[in-house]
Amino acid sequence: TQLLEQSPQFLSIQEGENLTVYCNSSSVFSSLQWYRQEPGEGPVLLVTVVTGGEVKKLKRLTFQFGDARKDSSLHITAAQPGDTGLYLCAGGGNYGQNFVFGPGTRLSVLP
Amino acid sequence: DAGVIQSPRHEVTEMGQEVTLRCKPISGHNSLFWYRQTMMRGLELLIYFNNNVPIDDSGMPEDRFSAKMPNASFSTLKIQPSEPRDSAVYFCASSPQVGRIIYEQYFGPGTRLTVT
Repeated sequence: TQLLEQSPQFLSIQEGENLTVYCNSSSVFSSLQWYRQEPGEGPVLLVTVVTGGEVKKLKRLTFQFGDARKDSSLHITAAQPGDTGLYLCAGGGNYGQNFVFGPGTRLSVLP
Repeated sequence: DAGVIQSPRHEVTEMGQEVTLRCKPISGHNSLFWYRQTMMRGLELLIYFNNNVPIDDSGMPEDRFSAKMPNASFSTLKIQPSEPRDSAVYFCASSPQVGRIIYEQYFGPGTRLTVT
């Protein structure tokens, strides 16, 4: 069974600070996704990475997929209170086999 | 375009009763997922359908849980009999899977189930 670990579990920072959260596994994934979930809502997709070493940018968010496709990071520049939420990574093998979500990093950005 | 639709949004039932959760995926999506989320266990994949066929049901907790997808626009998750430990938020998600890669999933608003 493929497992995803995320760190840190909780993160509280001031507005304007930079931060990085991590998603790690001992397994190789065909694709890896990052989602953000706000209270009372379902997760919302931020990005999908497929190629080892791939880097994608979404405004102030930078996502990187490890060369071996076993890990990923999410870096937020100049965090804002609107970035507050639960950040989840998720991945699976070919054709969705063993698709799993990590436990998430709960981010709080204080004004 | 409407997103994933789930009903009911909230369900409170007594232990031993049958519970049926419903999901309408986004039109044109060929993959559908059922998840359960709790504080203790996080987001767990229960079952995954592709083109209406169950592909991976290894996450279904036990025989009390069953899921069907009779057509491309409707799926149900049934719990019979329900138990207090089934209390959770149940999410349905759909995806336009392309080849071997699941690129993105769109989640519904969830059904909050409480079993007393």
